[in-house]
Amino acid sequence: KAGVTQTPRYLIKTRGQQVTLSCSPISGHRSVSWYQQTPGQGLQFLFEYFSETQRNKGNFPGRFSGRQFSNSRSEMNVSTLELGDSALYLCASSEVALADNTGELFFGEGSRLTVL
Amino acid sequence: EDQVTQSPEALRLQEGESSSLNCSYTVSGLRGLFWYRQDPGKGPEFLFTLYSAGEEKEKERLKATLTKKESFLHITAPKPEDSATYLCAVLGPTDSWGKFQFGAGTQVVVTP
Repeated sequence: KAGVTQTPRYLIKTRGQQVTLSCSPISGHRSVSWYQQTPGQGLQFLFEYFSETQRNKGNFPGRFSGRQFSNSRSEMNVSTLELGDSALYLCASSEVALADNTGELFFGEGSRLTVL
Repeated sequence: EDQVTQSPEALRLQEGESSSLNCSYTVSGLRGLFWYRQDPGKGPEFLFTLYSAGEEKEKERLKATLTKKESFLHITAPKPEDSATYLCAVLGPTDSWGKFQFGAGTQVVVTP
């Protein structure tokens, strides 16, 4: 069974630009959640999508958005990039929604974003 | 505000030297506490879920325990391949629905 695939793995952008990251979950998984990981703040929840609907959202500004397609693939977008957006962005998939989860999230390897 | 605090931030062990990592939380109405392992350049990998105080789970050299306010991850006779960052996360009550809150992690280095 293929794991969670995130693309691109690495990218460099400049301030003010926007970026779109992609996440393909494990086949059959309907929940995709996104996280930002930085050395100072650790792993922070961004949002979750389940069956194409956003179920929950963390404490991030509106510049961070996402969507999920009918095949469960998800994208997240960050507009008007700031230096502080430099981070590792991880997505995780699971069969059930986070609220019903036993904790077994399957993470991708992440997309490392550097904002110059 | 709900908080998840892990200690120590970093731990250096000799191979075979057992130790414990701590995860304390202030979430009331805990619905689950989870331990993950993260290797450099990789996403976290699920280890355990604990639901109620007194519960214990074991996997190879790792044993996780849960009390009402904290969880411990015991590493018994560690090997170099146990070197990783260990993360704990909590799932709060239904009013913080589906938000996994992670601690900052404990970076463990096991030397031969």
